[in-house]
Amino acid sequence: QKEVEQDPGPLSVPEGAIVSLNCTYSNSAFQYFMWYRQYSRKGPELLMYTYSSGNKEDGRFTAQVDKSSKYISLFIRDSQPSDSATYLCAMERGNMLTFGGGTRLMVKP
Amino acid sequence: SQTIHQWPATLVQPVGSPLSLECTVEGTSNPNLYWYRQAAGRGLQLLFYSVGIGQISSEVPQNLSASRPQDRQFILSSKKLLLSDSGFYLCAWSVISGRNIQYFGAGTRLSVL
Repeated sequence: QKEVEQDPGPLSVPEGAIVSLNCTYSNSAFQYFMWYRQYSRKGPELLMYTYSSGNKEDGRFTAQVDKSSKYISLFIRDSQPSDSATYLCAMERGNMLTFGGGTRLMVKP
Repeated sequence: SQTIHQWPATLVQPVGSPLSLECTVEGTSNPNLYWYRQAAGRGLQLLFYSVGIGQISSEVPQNLSASRPQDRQFILSSKKLLLSDSGFYLCAWSVISGRNIQYFGAGTRLSVL
């Protein structure tokens, strides 16, 4: 079993939809949780990071962490075609990040 | 502000040829540095990381090696490339203390033919 599981998709939604992206993990030692966005043939860029359980909002993006369930989510409101990308969750333990496999999102106009 | 440079962007190499990919970071001192490989449709596999000049840790034994000759320079090398070395290589950095939030370069797409 992988330490971090993420549905690979692809997830196809119409423009304006609310998108929910999720990751589950098995190691309770993970302390920080991050979401990266990766456009095709580009390096990942950091979207959000969170530490504690609860919600963190940044514009159209909301990151949610539930440590008791070992489950994290990224919500995208009013999705745009420019949000079409692969979204990677990442979790920190010590000096290392463990990444999920990424979910490919397609937002159709 | 900090920036990370990675080159070349694309590379096509024959089997058996050597490899050298370079990564440099600007605007910060003594960063942690990382090399990852990303196979098509898959997550990031950590290859090497470094916490200081000359300090390299390998996560996966393979045909590759890494060196850190200067504080903000990280090099990925191979003496003889294999077909299986094809992939998307990413360099990343993070601050040496506190949260390990990593920032990535643009990547190098390597095709070994």
